[in-house]
Amino acid sequence: GEDVEQSLFLSVREGDSSVINCTYTDSSSTYLYWYKQEPGAGLQLLTYIFSNMDMKQDQRLTVLLNKKDKHLSLRIADTQTGDSAIYFCAVAYTGTASKLTFGTGTRLQVTL
Amino acid sequence: DTAVSQTPKYLVTQMGNDKSIKCEQNLGHDTMYWYKQDSKKFLKIMFSYNNKELIINETVPNRFSPKSPDKAHLNLHINSLELGDSAVYFCASRLTGGTNYGYTFGSGTRLTVV
Repeated sequence: GEDVEQSLFLSVREGDSSVINCTYTDSSSTYLYWYKQEPGAGLQLLTYIFSNMDMKQDQRLTVLLNKKDKHLSLRIADTQTGDSAIYFCAVAYTGTASKLTFGTGTRLQVTL
Repeated sequence: DTAVSQTPKYLVTQMGNDKSIKCEQNLGHDTMYWYKQDSKKFLKIMFSYNNKELIINETVPNRFSPKSPDKAHLNLHINSLELGDSAVYFCASRLTGGTNYGYTFGSGTRLTVV
């Protein structure tokens, strides 16, 4: 089955950029997502990218996709303390039986 | 409010009990999911229904039985609860054939088995 890996922890200073990385194994993954989970809260969709794209920018968020290396990254510019959360990448393919397969999650800590 | 809503938000129960979690969506989606998030925050799919038909059934103990009375509702019944069932259970929905960013999650049900 699909395997999605992320580093467990990232600490950055407020105002710096954060880069959260994700690798996946199934090259048929068509849609790739980033979700944010704040403590005690649900899953908030931050952004997504289709597999035929290399990059997507959405305000402070930039997603880069390297299909050859099966590598996805999320860059958060000007990181704020409110960005402290767990970030999950998730992948899916098309079809009725499509499901999201989540990465292990990266805990982002933003320090002053 | 349009959303995926789950009830209850918190559930504390004793080992051996039977409990149910309910999920409803008013987004017009036709596919619904149950995900389990364990204490290490790993998220794993359990079940998926499309138009009331079970289409994904991952390796889950048969003490867990999902039921979808219609495409807007997906419930999860758990028999003989065990300590290891303690987790946060998330319901999600999407529209098949729609733009696939349409996975919408509920806010979760935190189940604690004591």
